[in-house]
Amino acid sequence: EVHVLESGGDLVQPGGSLRLSCAASGVTFSSYAINWVRQGPGKGLEWVSGISGRGGSSFYADSVKGRFTLSRDNANNTLYLQMNSLRADDTAVYYCAMSPYSSGWLSFWGQGSRVTVSS
Amino acid sequence: DIQMTQSPSSLSASVGDRVTITCRASQNINRYLNWYQHEIGKAPKLLIYSSSTLQSGVPSRFSGSGSGTDFTLTITSLQPEDFATYYCQQGYRSLYTFGQGTKLE
Repeated sequence: EVHVLESGGDLVQPGGSLRLSCAASGVTFSSYAINWVRQGPGKGLEWVSGISGRGGSSFYADSVKGRFTLSRDNANNTLYLQMNSLRADDTAVYYCAMSPYSSGWLSFWGQGSRVTVSS
Repeated sequence: DIQMTQSPSSLSASVGDRVTITCRASQNINRYLNWYQHEIGKAPKLLIYSSSTLQSGVPSRFSGSGSGTDFTLTITSLQPEDFATYYCQQGYRSLYTFGQGTKLE
């Protein structure tokens, strides 16, 4: 059975930084592209960023480009999202979602990690 | 970026009804269209990928169709557990995008 677990969400001041982690078990981690999808208060799902299985390619939504950075540690089945220069509109539940072989669909999701940006 | 437009944004229905949700892409995405179900407080769930392929474990009352720019999700004989929000998502380009969601109530 596949388990995906996000961690690292917290309350942070505007302009601050935070690092989210995504750990997975029950899968061959390097065979999956991994994405972050967020849902702000009262809003729908928004794709944020994604990284290929081996980590060679990463992609970012315009809303976070230049502020967020993905990295992955396949030896420890963990993905990291470094978030800098956080703004109030980054407030959301952040979901980690796995895509088999960069197929384009998101098969496995975690329960989410809440990030609140507020003074 | 590819824009995804869902309609309707909300839909009132009853147990046993048949409902259809549509999704339109701003450009041709072939069949790279996926559908998700999301209940508040839970992880989103993949229902259908590649326009019409049912994800393992998803009941057969869910079906999808379409190609190019126009797609549909159909739920026949609604069950109480189906009342949730549904999203389409394009996987044609690596910068994925979601529709705005359809709340089934």
